[in-house]
Amino acid sequence: DAGVIQSPRHEVTEMGQEVTLRCKPISGHDYLFWYRQTMMRGLELLIYFNNNVPIDDSGMPEDRFSAKMPNASFSTLKIQPSEPRDSAVYFCASTTLRERGRGEKLFFGSGTQLSVL
Amino acid sequence: AQSVTQLDSQVPVFEEAPVELRCNYSSSVSVYLFWYVQYPNQGLQLLLKYLSGSTLVKGINGFEAEFNKSQTSFHLRKPSVHISDTAEYFCAVSPGGYQKVTFGIGTKLQVIP
Repeated sequence: DAGVIQSPRHEVTEMGQEVTLRCKPISGHDYLFWYRQTMMRGLELLIYFNNNVPIDDSGMPEDRFSAKMPNASFSTLKIQPSEPRDSAVYFCASTTLRERGRGEKLFFGSGTQLSVL
Repeated sequence: AQSVTQLDSQVPVFEEAPVELRCNYSSSVSVYLFWYVQYPNQGLQLLLKYLSGSTLVKGINGFEAEFNKSQTSFHLRKPSVHISDTAEYFCAVSPGGYQKVTFGIGTKLQVIP
């Protein structure tokens, strides 16, 4: 399996521009998570989906952030308009509860390094 | 609600010395506990996990952690570290049977040759 695939690997943009981050979870996984990692706040859960449905978006910082999962193999995180304080590494992770009893293990992508100038 | 506290943001240690990375948690329900490791420019990888049973859990790369319910702790240990252990380590907690994992802020382990 190729693992969780995120694109782009790096994104540099100017303040005010729209940014779209992409994620392809591991095939067969029914949970998908978006995390943001910064030096100040560590790893924060932004939103997670189960069977393509958003379950908890309480971590989304504000209305400029939106996430979608149109199908089981693709999700996007969009920031519009972007601001310098959005600069961070954004991780996507997936998992499944089908192996219940084995415990939840999150499989992370390599992340997208976002820099907003 | 649940939370995780990693008491040390950075831990420098000499090669072949033992190390302990501390983690305390709080939760109103029973939990699963995890340690993840993040190498530079990579995503997080699971190091070990505690679900139930024996309180001493062994993971990959010679790491182990001990669950202490009375002290609500899940400290990570390794008897002898290697240069390749230099990474950031995250403690995490999840309510049993549920998917919302809360991470600590991370501890950077720096192994000094």
